[in-house]
Amino acid sequence: DVKVTQSSRYLVKRTGEKVFLECVQDMDHENMFWYRQDPGLGLRLIYFSYDVKMKEKGDIPEGYSVSREKKERFSLILESASTNQTSMYLCASSERAETVVGETQYFGPGTRLLVL
Amino acid sequence: SQKIEQNSEALNIQEGKTATLTCNYTNYSPAYLQWYRQDPGRGPVFLLLIRENEKEKRKERLKVTFDTTLKQSLFHITASQPADSATYLCALTGNQFYFGTGTSLTVIP
Repeated sequence: DVKVTQSSRYLVKRTGEKVFLECVQDMDHENMFWYRQDPGLGLRLIYFSYDVKMKEKGDIPEGYSVSREKKERFSLILESASTNQTSMYLCASSERAETVVGETQYFGPGTRLLVL
Repeated sequence: SQKIEQNSEALNIQEGKTATLTCNYTNYSPAYLQWYRQDPGRGPVFLLLIRENEKEKRKERLKVTFDTTLKQSLFHITASQPADSATYLCALTGNQFYFGTGTSLTVIP
């Protein structure tokens, strides 16, 4: 079974802090994704990576950066956390298939981040 | 811009009945459409994928239809059980991934 793990289930940070969210997948998938999920807004793509050291902006990249130094690991960085970044953050991975983004996405358990 | 609509935010049905969830989309021609289940506080879990050239797909008590002319997918759960209570998301896949906001299903014993 594909397993996607995220470094924390719950995180509380102060405004202005630098925040690192880490995601690791064990299925050698080419693609990795970071989403945030908010009530009524659904899943919104922050960044997407289709290969090591490669990244593409999603729909809401402002205030975030990412790093993919190894194929299995994809990190999301909040350079200076703000209260409007309080959210559920979900990491996913997929195998590259007919389309660049692949088919089925496998999600981690999520990190619930609270910025005070 | 691309838009996905899933029917009513919440759906309540009696145990044993068939639940039908709707996913409508505009301004996009997906290569395939997927359905995911999400339980509270957890990440979505893949259920079914249907390609643009397929009309229907089944898996145990689940059935998905895909009408590219109507730009609509229907997701059916037959003989529903309280354990089916969750939020169900549809997702369009082509050059990008687009998720709907989900429909919360409650199956009442």
